[in-house]
Amino acid sequence: NAGVTQTPKFQVLKTGQSMTLQCAQDMNHNSMYWYRQDPGMGLRLIYYSASEGTTDKGEVPNGYNVSRLNKREFSLRLESAAPSQTSVYFCASSEAGGFNTGELFFGEGSRLTVL
Amino acid sequence: AQSVTQLDSQVPVFEEAPVELRCNYSSSVSVYLFWYVQYPNQGLQLLLKYLSGSTLVESINGFEAEFNKSQTSFHLRKPSVHISDTAEYFCAVSASGNDMRFGAGTRLTVKP
Repeated sequence: NAGVTQTPKFQVLKTGQSMTLQCAQDMNHNSMYWYRQDPGMGLRLIYYSASEGTTDKGEVPNGYNVSRLNKREFSLRLESAAPSQTSVYFCASSEAGGFNTGELFFGEGSRLTVL
Repeated sequence: AQSVTQLDSQVPVFEEAPVELRCNYSSSVSVYLFWYVQYPNQGLQLLLKYLSGSTLVESINGFEAEFNKSQTSFHLRKPSVHISDTAEYFCAVSASGNDMRFGAGTRLTVKP
């Protein structure tokens, strides 16, 4: 029972480098999300994809891009990493209307450090 | 936009004691409210939710939360905690259907 799988789990980058966080879900969910978690700030939504072929900005989209590759996969790209992007990143998925039902299923997180 | 305030960042408690984790929200429209739990090195899991109907909602492991519209609160309670309840708990609110805002989290530590 894989659920939501994120790779890599840990990554260290230098300022200015780029990288992509990968996320895949095997629950046939329509909606997928990327959050970042910072101490004292809880989770903040970066981008989400309500359905295949659509993406929308969340609360903190600056410095990030996303791609909904297909129904299963939703990637998050940092084009030019900055120390302020040091965080734990969580991917989640849900049936349609996840913000209304609360039934978001989260991956185990990807810890990113930008030096 | 809606927002959530969790009033305690850390709550230490002894095993078998009662606990209350406090959550207040602000929104100009009707809301859906949620509590999530995060165990160490894991993602968040939905613990319970209020969508409509009865203002008292319960989880399968003995937690309950009460939606209080007049006080804009959704506090989480458990009458007797166990060591295994040690985790971080997040309150979340959704109002527009296009976003879900999380609180900063409350770290519950249950001591033997």
